[in-house]
Amino acid sequence: DGGITQSPKYLFRKEGQNVTLSCEQNLNHDAMYWYRQDPGQGLRLIYYSQIVNDFQKGDIAEGYSVSREKKESFPLTVTSAQKNPTAFYLCASSTGVGTGELFFGEGSRLTVL
Amino acid sequence: GESVGLHLPTLSVQEGDNSIINCAYSNSASDYFIWYKQESGKGPQFIIDIRSNMDKRQGQRVTVLLNKTVKHLSLQIAATQPGDSAVYFCAENRSGGYQKVTFGIGTKLQVIP
Repeated sequence: DGGITQSPKYLFRKEGQNVTLSCEQNLNHDAMYWYRQDPGQGLRLIYYSQIVNDFQKGDIAEGYSVSREKKESFPLTVTSAQKNPTAFYLCASSTGVGTGELFFGEGSRLTVL
Repeated sequence: GESVGLHLPTLSVQEGDNSIINCAYSNSASDYFIWYKQESGKGPQFIIDIRSNMDKRQGQRVTVLLNKTVKHLSLQIAATQPGDSAVYFCAENRSGGYQKVTFGIGTKLQVIP
């Protein structure tokens, strides 16, 4: 069954700690994305990657870092520099061409204590 | 910039009635417009898309209308069911190089049994 797997689903972090959210896809998609969603708001783009070993900042990249060493994987690190990290994080992938249909994972909810 | 707020626009509809969810978009250069459905605690799922050179597209129980003159997009759901209760996002995609998909803030659809 093809899809996107995010882990963990829920994560608690103390202030000052870095955390890494995992995103794996077996759809053979070239492009992968990380979005942040706050209550009552739309999705805001953090980082995206069109191809392995390449990634670009989105609209709200400050305080986040990513890597794309494998086509299937696009982990997101929320660093201590992120001022308001509590949010719902969504990973997505796409073929990179056509309509732009994004396939989303189930999300990871990060809470900073 | 994108308008943000803590309270999503909400549409309450009686079960069996038709629902119409509206969206205003900003970029006249967008190539595709896409509707996503997000159930509570999950990632968004693709519903239907429409190319910028079309004004109507129908799917199963859903119809998307595009009015480029006033930059307006709507999603019509026929015979609304309780399972349709979710937040609906419109998104616009400008392809060419990186597919920049921009999401609106969403509309919450509540179906009254």
